[in-house]
Amino acid sequence: DVKVTQSSRYLVKRTGEKVFLECVQDMDHENMFWYRQDPGLGLRLIYFSYDVKMKEKGDIPEGYSVSREKKERFSLILESASTNQTSMYLCASRKTRALTDTQYFGPGTRLTVL
Amino acid sequence: QKEVEQNSGPLSVPEGAIASLNCTYSDRGSQSFFWYRQYSGKSPELIMFIYSNGDKEDGRFTAQLNKASQYVSLLIRDSQPSDSATYLCAVQAGTALIFGKGTTLSVSS
Repeated sequence: DVKVTQSSRYLVKRTGEKVFLECVQDMDHENMFWYRQDPGLGLRLIYFSYDVKMKEKGDIPEGYSVSREKKERFSLILESASTNQTSMYLCASRKTRALTDTQYFGPGTRLTVL
Repeated sequence: QKEVEQNSGPLSVPEGAIASLNCTYSDRGSQSFFWYRQYSGKSPELIMFIYSNGDKEDGRFTAQLNKASQYVSLLIRDSQPSDSATYLCAVQAGTALIFGKGTTLSVSS
């Protein structure tokens, strides 16, 4: 079974702090994704990566950056956390972009910025 | 911007009935479509995918795709209270999946 893990289930940070969210997958997937999920807004794509050191902006990249130094690990960085970044953050991975490849999600990190 | 639209619901059905969930998408070039189920407080899990026009069945679930109408649906037969969840439609857009906001289904016993 594919396993996508995230470093924390719950995280509380203060405004202005630098925040790192880590995601690891164990199935040698090429593609990894960061989404945030908010009530009424659904799942929105922040960034994705299709290879080591490669990244692409999603729909809402402002205020975020990412890092992918190893194939299995994809990090989301909030350079200076703000209260409007309080959200559920979901990491996902997918082997390739083939039509039949499944995208698997991690358990999520509930981030609260005070 | 590519969009995926779903009726937010809630959709309420009695136990044993058929639940019908609908999704439309804006990008005519989209080729692959996914249905995810998300229980409250949990992450989405894949139910099924479809990429050819027509119907695809998997147990109590049937996905239907009509590319000409840019429409994909999910039918759940013999609905159970355990099917109560939010159902997310997703469309492949290049490398990433774009998700609708989800439809909340409530199955009453």
